[in-house]
Amino acid sequence: GAGVSQSPSNKVTEKGKDVELRCDPISGHTALYWYRQSLGQGLEFLIYFQGNSAPDKSGLPSDRFSAERTGGSVSTLTIQRTQQEDSAVYLCASGERDEQFFGPGTRLTVL
Amino acid sequence: AQTVTQSQPEMSVQEAETVTLSCTYDTSESNYYLFWYKQPPSRQMILVIRQEAYKQQNATENRFSVNFQKAAKSFSLKISDSQLGDTAMYFCAFQWGRAQKLVFGQGTRLTINP
Repeated sequence: GAGVSQSPSNKVTEKGKDVELRCDPISGHTALYWYRQSLGQGLEFLIYFQGNSAPDKSGLPSDRFSAERTGGSVSTLTIQRTQQEDSAVYLCASGERDEQFFGPGTRLTVL
Repeated sequence: AQTVTQSQPEMSVQEAETVTLSCTYDTSESNYYLFWYKQPPSRQMILVIRQEAYKQQNATENRFSVNFQKAAKSFSLKISDSQLGDTAMYFCAFQWGRAQKLVFGQGTRLTINP
């Protein structure tokens, strides 16, 4: 009966490294969203999965960003060749119909 | 494209006072949802209240209520009898249709002083 969980809670990496952020949605939720929260850009949508449909990738800022959702459950957001501007809090949410439930986020710091 | 604007970057009131946070939005859609989320320092986004655009009645949740003016595209949040635990960032958000992405405003940092 837990809520949305994300791991790691904090991640520090060096510029140019790849990182993977994980999201465990609420069991049974068919929709899963990734958002990014940064000082300069506020809260912005990244990608959205709905059931077996093709994901909506319209918010991904560059081709260094990708995400997958395995078995309609866990999702991984991958950032390749990280840049300092990727430093932000990455929030995951899952939902049904018209309500989204958020995880605690992963704070990514790129040095 | 939908946009959401919160014109008050910061607000501060005394405990027990009433405070109103403003939000305006722009959309050509007729069926949509509006939300207020609270984000305390713990970073956890918490849903405060939601409004379905087709409903004329303003939503209320205990001390929280909204003033939804569809024609004016305005969606303000009123917090009555404010408490120290209400201190947080508050985000107004728009969602077109069910199970769609959220579009957020810039946020209002609310501080409740003892």
